[in-house]
Amino acid sequence: GAVVSQHPSRVICKSGTSVKIECRSLDFQATTMFWYRQFPKQSLMLMATSNEGSKATYEQGVEKDKFLINHASLTLSTLTVTSAHPEDSSFYICSASDRGGSEKLFFGSGTQLSVL
Amino acid sequence: AQSVTQPDIHITVSEGASLELRCNYSYGATPYLFWYVQSPGQGLQLLLKYFSGDTLVQGIKGFEAEFKRSQSSFNLRKPSVHWSDAAEYFCAVGAPGTASKLTFGTGTRLQVTL
Repeated sequence: GAVVSQHPSRVICKSGTSVKIECRSLDFQATTMFWYRQFPKQSLMLMATSNEGSKATYEQGVEKDKFLINHASLTLSTLTVTSAHPEDSSFYICSASDRGGSEKLFFGSGTQLSVL
Repeated sequence: AQSVTQPDIHITVSEGASLELRCNYSYGATPYLFWYVQSPGQGLQLLLKYFSGDTLVQGIKGFEAEFKRSQSSFNLRKPSVHWSDAAEYFCAVGAPGTASKLTFGTGTRLQVTL
């Protein structure tokens, strides 16, 4: 089946640094990718939707200058957390759609970000 | 706006007992419906999905779910729970026909006692 690879699985960084998370579709072309954030023991909250070759669409309340999303190719989307602070510590998960609509949506394994 | 409600935050069942996790949704039409499972620190694994047709959907790991339009529900069931089923379960809805975002419920944490 289709696979979405997310890297790194875990990252620890110092406050003020930037962290990049990659999401790759390994055997299909992902025209649309989604980035979610999950706080401990809570549900997934959509942060943004990215379409290949265009600017990401951010959900209300998500700072686009802080969470930079790039979807430069059909197999790769990146989320960069800029000037990270402890409150950015969270579990980030990407998902990718292969043109077929939400019925063909695949999730990465997630990235646990800890900001010290 | 679409929304998903999972009324049970935490459920504990004995191994071998039956399980039902509740999910209710609010949507203008019949959405696509999903159940996902998440183990600690892991991503989401799709258990099953409903798009149309037969309202009883079979999934992986012995799970099934029944779509009831009149109740706007999509409850997840398993006849006999295994200890390895302990995890977080999320119900989600999506708009049909488009590569749209999913709206997730708040999840139900399943604990299995031996």
